[in-house]
Amino acid sequence: GAGVSQTPSNKVTEKGKYVELRCDPISGHTALYWYRQSLGQGPEFLIYFQGTGAADDSGLPNDRFFAVRPEGSVSTLKIQRTERGDSAVYLCASSLLPGSTDTQYFGPGTRLTVL
Amino acid sequence: GQQLNQSPQSMFIQEGEDVSMNCTSSSIFNTWLWYKQDPGEGPVLLIALYKAGELTSNGRLTAQFGITRKDSFLNISASIPSDVGIYFCAGFPQGAQKLVFGQGTRLTINP
Repeated sequence: GAGVSQTPSNKVTEKGKYVELRCDPISGHTALYWYRQSLGQGPEFLIYFQGTGAADDSGLPNDRFFAVRPEGSVSTLKIQRTERGDSAVYLCASSLLPGSTDTQYFGPGTRLTVL
Repeated sequence: GQQLNQSPQSMFIQEGEDVSMNCTSSSIFNTWLWYKQDPGEGPVLLIALYKAGELTSNGRLTAQFGITRKDSFLNISASIPSDVGIYFCAGFPQGAQKLVFGQGTRLTINP
């Protein structure tokens, strides 16, 4: 079956612009996670959804970052007034259920470059 | 925040050699996971460990959940070219639902 998909695969934008990154989780997975991976580093947790609600958004770096999952499936990560330091690969993952015993399946990521 | 210290940062080995990498934490983790990431892809789960002392194998890969719950290692035996990539340890700290990753070990294999 289909895995986690993310669009676009690459996004180049100018400083100060607004961007939206989309994640399509595996069908039926109730939990969805966003991570940010800087060059040469491991992924860092941003936010996770259980159904439509954000269960933990403590990893969002500041109020320029926001994510939604209105129907409990597709999620959009929104970044306002982008800064050069936002450049990174944004990874999405989903799991059937939330929690430490359920495998998270990752998408290929969106590479964001802020010029 | 929680941090995992993964070592070594990089390894250059000959095909056929065995590989060992490890991960340590200053705090207790309930679950330890090992992922591999290829260029342009997301991490793929290799092995999951859920109990202190647990030793689990997946083909040529073997991983252990340290008895103190603060460390884990991954061994790869008889390395082959497709083992090239970046390996990450990850885990769920005690009482947390957020997955924490190490900095990664980049494995390069000389033919």
